[in-house]
Amino acid sequence: KQEVTQIPAALSVPEGENLVLNCSFTDSAIYNLQWFRQDPGKGLTSLLLIQSSQREQTSGRLNASLDKSSGRSTLYIAASQPGDSATYLCAVLSGGNTPLVFGKGTRLSVIA
Amino acid sequence: DAGVTQSPTHLIKTRGQQVTLRCSPKSGHDTVSWYQQALGQGPQFIFQYYEEEERQRGNFPDRFSGHQFPNYSSELNVNALLLGDSALYLCASSYTNYGYTFGSGTRLTVV
Repeated sequence: KQEVTQIPAALSVPEGENLVLNCSFTDSAIYNLQWFRQDPGKGLTSLLLIQSSQREQTSGRLNASLDKSSGRSTLYIAASQPGDSATYLCAVLSGGNTPLVFGKGTRLSVIA
Repeated sequence: DAGVTQSPTHLIKTRGQQVTLRCSPKSGHDTVSWYQQALGQGPQFIFQYYEEEERQRGNFPDRFSGHQFPNYSSELNVNALLLGDSALYLCASSYTNYGYTFGSGTRLTVV
């Protein structure tokens, strides 16, 4: 059974700092991995999707990497802004008809 | 292009009642998945519908049931509501289980 862990559970940084969020998964036989953003009480917004054959994906100030063999992914946020404050969720699809499995998320606060 | 639409946005029900939540998938998507998210937790998989049939199911009791219609829209039904069913219910659509898009969710409060 796939399990996803996100560390740290919460993070507070000053504006302008570069930061890294971590995600680990127990079964390395994955199909793809997605990073989502969730604002309080709201739905999920997809940030980046990495296929199992890819090593990284970039969108603006966001860069996500994937190391399948070690069961890890990182989300790098450059030059953080107060508007980046949200919960970031990592989710893994193990292929076939298996569902998307989520971690508990990292709650990020960027202080102006 | 409309994304995933969920209704209602908020709902308050009494213990023992039944509730129906609705979801319209993103255009071009044929698969609908439902998740329950308790406060401070990650979303937990309830079930997934494809071609009007339940294809996968998570660890949820039979009180949770669903349906998918020919136009790919879906309903989640919960019977005999418990206080513990209070949560944010998220619907996601995808094309054959690839590339999930989530709706804004329905906040269910059971009193």
